[in-house]
Amino acid sequence: NAGVTQTPKFQVLKTGQSMTLQCAQDMNHEYMSWYRQDPGMGLRLIHYSVGAGITDQGEVPNGYNVSRSTTEDFPLRLLSAAPSQTSVYFCASSYRQGANQPQHFGDGTRLSIL
Amino acid sequence: AQKITQTQPGMFVQEKEAVTLDCTYDTSDPSYGLFWYKQPSSGEMIFLIYQGSYDQQNATEGRYSLNFQKARKSANLVISASQLGDSAMYFCAMREGPSNDYKLSFGAGTTVTVRA
Repeated sequence: NAGVTQTPKFQVLKTGQSMTLQCAQDMNHEYMSWYRQDPGMGLRLIHYSVGAGITDQGEVPNGYNVSRSTTEDFPLRLLSAAPSQTSVYFCASSYRQGANQPQHFGDGTRLSIL
Repeated sequence: AQKITQTQPGMFVQEKEAVTLDCTYDTSDPSYGLFWYKQPSSGEMIFLIYQGSYDQQNATEGRYSLNFQKARKSANLVISASQLGDSAMYFCAMREGPSNDYKLSFGAGTTVTVRA
């Protein structure tokens, strides 16, 4: 069981470069989300999706794009990287229905913007 | 407004002793779930325990238990018989109901260090 798989694990970018963080899950979960983790701030929601073809903004969406063409994949795009986007990024998934559903997390991507 | 508040940035606990991690939350949604996650130094997020807003009993999972006081809007995590492997960051999180699209909100976390 792979669960939630994130690639890459580490990445260094220069300011202005673009890149895509990949996220895939094999649990047939409808709900997928992206978070960023910064020291002292916990995890903050960037974007989320309640199913294929449906995405919405979270708490800190600026500078990031997402799409959900399949149930399995939920990539996060940085169009023009900025130093403020240096962070650890987590993808998570769960069944949509019910506030009782725990989200399952990938191992994270550590991103540095120079 | 902050939905989840964890007031203890860091705590030390002696091995084999119990430790309580505080968590208060804020929501007007009658249906919500409270979760605790552990993040060891390796970085992954590990789900520990869940408490539903309608649950009458406090949740327990092995050495983890949740002291749920609904009227006070608190959901404190108790780790009994601490082990060195319990040293980690612990996050309290809340998942609200359909009116909030089941989004998950996190507190800032509490770092626990277990001393031998």
